Amino acid sequence: EVQLVESGGGLVRPGGSLRLSCVASGIRFDSYSMNWVRQAPGKGLEWISYISSSSGTRYYAESVKGRFTISRDNAKNSLYLEMNSLRDKDTAVYYCATFGDDSFDFWGRGTLVTVSS
Amino acid sequence: QSALTQPRSVSGSPGQSVSISCTGTRNDVGFYNYVSWYQHHPGKAPKLLIYDVTKRPSGVPDRFSGSKSGNTASLTISGLQAEDEADYYCCSYAGTYTFTYVFGTGTKVTFL
Repeated sequence: EVQLVESGGGLVRPGGSLRLSCVASGIRFDSYSMNWVRQAPGKGLEWISYISSSSGTRYYAESVKGRFTISRDNAKNSLYLEMNSLRDKDTAVYYCATFGDDSFDFWGRGTLVTVSS
Repeated sequence: QSALTQPRSVSGSPGQSVSISCTGTRNDVGFYNYVSWYQHHPGKAPKLLIYDVTKRPSGVPDRFSGSKSGNTASLTISGLQAEDEADYYCCSYAGTYTFTYVFGTGTKVTFL
């Protein structure tokens, strides 16, 4: 059974930083490209970042470019999202998701990030 | 990149069929056959239902089907069941010059 478990969310002040993690099991992690997708309260889903299986290619949505950094450690079956200069609008549940067949095929349950003073 | 437009909610009786529309532009839904659909029960992990407009991953019931015409994609749920009450999101590739995916605004499916 595929499992993705996110962690690292919490309450942070505007301008602060946070590092999210996602641990995968039940899949050959180093064969999958990975993504972060978020959902603000009462809003829809928003794709924010992609990383290829070897970390050679990374993409970001304009809303987070320059502030967020995606990375992974295939030896630890882990995906990360380093978030800096956080804003109120970054408040959301953050999901990690595998990428295959032009879609996001497996997802975690998410971790909540709240940016508030 | 603007979100794809979905109806806020659709309702149906058990056993009926419901369809959810997903309207984009000629730069996303209208251009690429990379439309996918996700089912999300709040508090749980979203689940992939349809990819590449019409394809179903292994394990997804054939009650779920996808289609596309022009800039609008659709998800049809045939024989509505209790467990189908959830939020549904469409998604399309929109990366003319770079890797970009855009999701829909989301549709809540409920029983009448």
